[in-house]
Amino acid sequence: KNQVEQSPQSLIILEGKNCTLQCNYTVSPFSNLRWYKQDTGRGPVSLTIMTFSENTKSNGRYTATLDADTKQSSLHITASQLSDSASYICVVSARGGADGLTFGKGTHLIIQP
Amino acid sequence: SAVISQKPSRDICQRGTSLTIQCQVDSQVTMMFWYRQQPGQSLTLIATANQGSEATYESGFVIDKFPISRPNLTFSTLTVSNMSPEDSSIYLCSVDQGRSSGNTIYFGEGSWLTVV
Repeated sequence: KNQVEQSPQSLIILEGKNCTLQCNYTVSPFSNLRWYKQDTGRGPVSLTIMTFSENTKSNGRYTATLDADTKQSSLHITASQLSDSASYICVVSARGGADGLTFGKGTHLIIQP
Repeated sequence: SAVISQKPSRDICQRGTSLTIQCQVDSQVTMMFWYRQQPGQSLTLIATANQGSEATYESGFVIDKFPISRPNLTFSTLTVSNMSPEDSSIYLCSVDQGRSSGNTIYFGEGSWLTVV
């Protein structure tokens, strides 16, 4: 069964600090991995998408890494800001497009001033 | 990119009633999807909205409970029928613009339904 596990479930850090969120998956076949940011009560917004051949991708202060051999990904947030408070969802695609997606439950990140 | 508008954004519904959620996209898209996100849970795909034909439902979801319309390539509706408190969720419309947009998948802002 395809699964995406994210850790930690929740995280509280001080503004300005860095943090790393983890995503482990058992999706096969594998096409790509996406990270989304979801503010409370809003729809998910895409941060990064990585295919099998990519092992890192950045989007501003967000840097995602992918190790397709160990089936692990991480999302590193640098110099956190209050606006980074949100849920971060890891999504793995088996077939490339929007069909065949497996969603993680997300990591709930709180940035404190 | 695609801009997706969903209506309503929030509603409080009485048990036993039905509510229709609208999804409007600012460009023509082939693939449109409807998701449910229950409190504290990950997104679950309800169905793929097919233009000109019946929607394709995922296991555990049926047309009688979640009828879907897709009259054209920019618009779709999802109806949540005969609602119960277990239907309290965020319902999200999603589109895939395909390889030309790097397989980016866009989501609407969601419709947050509370059934009382």
